[in-house]
Amino acid sequence: AQKVTQAQTEISVVEKEDVTLDCVYETRDTTYYLFWYKQPPSGELVFLIRRNSFDEQNEISGRYSWNFQKSTSSFNFTITASQVVDSAVYFCALRPSGNTPLVFGKGTRLSVIA
Amino acid sequence: NAGVTQTPKFRVLKTGQSMTLLCAQDMNHEYMYWYRQDPGMGLRLIHYSVGEGTTAKGEVPDGYNVSRLKKQNFLLGLESAAPSQTSVYFCASSYWSKKRGTEAFFGQGTRLTVV
Repeated sequence: AQKVTQAQTEISVVEKEDVTLDCVYETRDTTYYLFWYKQPPSGELVFLIRRNSFDEQNEISGRYSWNFQKSTSSFNFTITASQVVDSAVYFCALRPSGNTPLVFGKGTRLSVIA
Repeated sequence: NAGVTQTPKFRVLKTGQSMTLLCAQDMNHEYMYWYRQDPGMGLRLIHYSVGEGTTAKGEVPDGYNVSRLKKQNFLLGLESAAPSQTSVYFCASSYWSKKRGTEAFFGQGTRLTVV
């Protein structure tokens, strides 16, 4: 079975703090794909990053970084020096190999307080 | 590029009424999906399609029907709306690449209220 768990339902931080959003996934596939999406208060779903299971290289993009660890089935997302505009719901998603749909976690609501 | 467009954006239905949500994409994607989003539940897959003329059930298909008569369109129908179908509905599309997996591109969502 394919499953994505985001154990943190809500997180609140003060502006400029660093924050890490956790994502743990389950799949029996040896090839799979992981994603992070952001849903700001306006409601649209914004794609942030894609990671393939055969590429464990971590990635940094500005204030965002992602830590992919196959050994612990985790794909965590860190925001450095958080800003109020980072306030949103963040979803982690898994796409098993083949033409299968994305499976989403339940999301983590991040509130950044000025 | 319009990307993925959903129509309508808001709708209020009375219990028992029917309606169709339209999703259109202009990216020539093979795969299209309908998700619903409820508080605390994330996005749950209703139905999806891997190509023109094909459809398949997702996690929560009951009470919904879909059709994919044209590659660019994916319709979601509610034959007899129930209050439990009050939700935000998202349509998405994607292509498939073994190397990249590829993300889904989402529409703006349709907020449906059934009273």
